[in-house]
Amino acid sequence: DAGVTQSPTHLIKTRGQQVTLRCSPKSGHDTVSWYQQALGQGPQFIFQYYEEEERQRGNFPDRFSGHQFPNYSSELNVNALLLGDSALYLCASSLFQGGTEAFFGQGTRLTVV
Amino acid sequence: AQSVTQLDSHVSVSEGTPVLLRCNYSSSYSPSLFWYVQHPNKGLQLLLKYTSAATLVKGINGFEAEFKKSETSFHLTKPSAHMSDAAEYFCVVTENSGGYQKVTFGTGTKLQVIP
Repeated sequence: DAGVTQSPTHLIKTRGQQVTLRCSPKSGHDTVSWYQQALGQGPQFIFQYYEEEERQRGNFPDRFSGHQFPNYSSELNVNALLLGDSALYLCASSLFQGGTEAFFGQGTRLTVV
Repeated sequence: AQSVTQLDSHVSVSEGTPVLLRCNYSSSYSPSLFWYVQHPNKGLQLLLKYTSAATLVKGINGFEAEFKKSETSFHLTKPSAHMSDAAEYFCVVTENSGGYQKVTFGTGTKLQVIP
């Protein structure tokens, strides 16, 4: 079992550009959540996908969007990148029924210059 | 409303001495509680979880935590710190409400282990 895999591991983008981050959940999991972790901060919830729909959303602007595919994998898209979007983006997979732990990927380190 | 408070942003201990990382929570429902560890530039690894079974929970690497409902606490302990324990630790609470799972992270505690 490969666990949660994220790609790419590192990424450098220019202000104003768009970026897509990818996540494959742990085998058997049906829910994917995305978090943004700025340097020295705890993870902040962006949104959660289940059955290919956004189920919950944190306090992030519409520039942040996502998608979940039938195989449960997910993408996070960020448009019109700002310097403040530089962070570690973490993907977590879990079962929608809850009460179970979320498994995290190693993250994608996004740097906006 | 659901919230998590990690009472110490930094904790420093000597190698071989006990570790105590404090976490208090509030939840309107029966929560599940977790501790995760994050080593520098890494993702989060689950240390242990409480999901309404035994109140004393044992995790990996010798860590354990006790769920105390009366004190709304879920403190993380380890009898003897090892250098490899130096990392950041996050207390997490989840609850199911209205068919959705709400997840809240604490702000984290950085553990320094002094040789």
